Parts: sequence; C-alpha cells; structure tokens
Amino acid sequence: AQKITQTQPGMFVQEKEAVTLDCTYDTSDPSYGLFWYKQPSSGEMIFLIYQGSYDQQNATEGRYSLNFQKARKSANLVISASQLGDSAMYFCAMREGAGGYQKVTFGIGTKLQVIP
Amino acid sequence: DADVTQTPRNRITKTGKRIMLECSQTKGHDRMYWYRQDPGLGLRLIYYSFDVKDINKGEISDGYSVSRQAQAKFSLSLESAIPNQTALYFCATSDFGGANTGELFFGEGSRLTVL
Repeated sequence: AQKITQTQPGMFVQEKEAVTLDCTYDTSDPSYGLFWYKQPSSGEMIFLIYQGSYDQQNATEGRYSLNFQKARKSANLVISASQLGDSAMYFCAMREGAGGYQKVTFGIGTKLQVIP
Repeated sequence: DADVTQTPRNRITKTGKRIMLECSQTKGHDRMYWYRQDPGLGLRLIYYSFDVKDINKGEISDGYSVSRQAQAKFSLSLESAIPNQTALYFCATSDFGGANTGELFFGEGSRLTVL
C-alpha cells in the first residue's frame, strides 16, 4: 500500500484564489509527522509546513495551512491568495518509524499552475 | 554557502561507468539520506544513515552503494551505471528530538544522465 497518496497530478488555480492540494497517508505508528515541500522549476526542494501527529491544532505558515484530519488520515495543504510564484510541484511527505529509526516517505507530487 | 552541498550538479556518463555523487553538510546533523526523483514517481529513498556506523537500505537500493566517510559526508555510488538510473538525485539531512521535527534539509540535487 502507498504510504502517501496524492491523487491530483495537476491543478490549476486563478491568481489570488485559494487552492487545496490533497494528501492522504497510511501508517500504524502513533507518532508521525507530515510535511509539505515545494519544488519550483529550478529544482530545489523548499520546506513549507509541518504537522505532528499529536498536534491539536492545524499548522499554519503564512499563506500555507495544513488541514489535518487524523481520523481520515488526510493532510491537505491549503494555499490562500495564490501567486504566480506558487506555480510548482508540491510534495506531501510523512516521517514515521520506531524510536530513532525514522525515515521520510514522499508522495508522487501535484503540479500546481497559477493562472494570471 | 549552502548547508547541504552536492557534487557534481550535473553529470553525463555512459553505461557501465562507475559514478560517485558526493554530499557534504554543515548543519551538524547525524542523519543523512539519498533520494532519487523521477517524473511521476516522486522521491524515493535509496539509502539512509543515522550515524557514521549506521547504513540502511531504502526502497530502491539495488544498483547503488553508499559510504558515510564522516558525520558530514555521505557518498552515493553507482558501480556500473545503466540508463534507467538517469534521474535527479537528492541528498538530505535531518535531526530529530527535542524541538526538531525531522524536517529534511535538501541539497540542490545532482542530475545524472546515463547514455
């Protein structure tokens, strides 16, 4: 089974609108972490936001928020007020593993294009 | 200077050649990783290391080997490169515990083409 599922290969959003990028995950570990990374066309990986499995509130970082629904095992990224510079690949990732042996697994990504 | 440095950034080689991708970091992290990125497949873990004496296989380790020469250095080798190893390779580091979340800090990537 896929650990991280991103079902939207590509998304379009109008500039200044909000957009939600979907991510579901699968783990039996009680302690895990969820990340979103952005990869612009230049190729670098940029960390956006983190949510811990025990965090009570949804994480927010500026225009980014993570809609964490633990029972549904979903961790959707919401980008508010989209900008042209938001056009990029977006990867959802999960940290899991027992004790110190933790590793991070990525989804296949969603390509977001912001339309002027 | 970047905290995580990969060399070379781009490399074109021929089938059967031995290739080494190097990674060094100044973040002081114990944990280092090698990922491979292919279009439509996301990033897949090749090898990871939690300290100098600890090396672990990831999900796609066949055809690759690694060396952790020091806390700051983690090298990926392709002993006999083949065309389907053409990909973008990322080195990453992380720390965990206390306030650290296990966030990965990435190098800029090494684009490898095997002809």
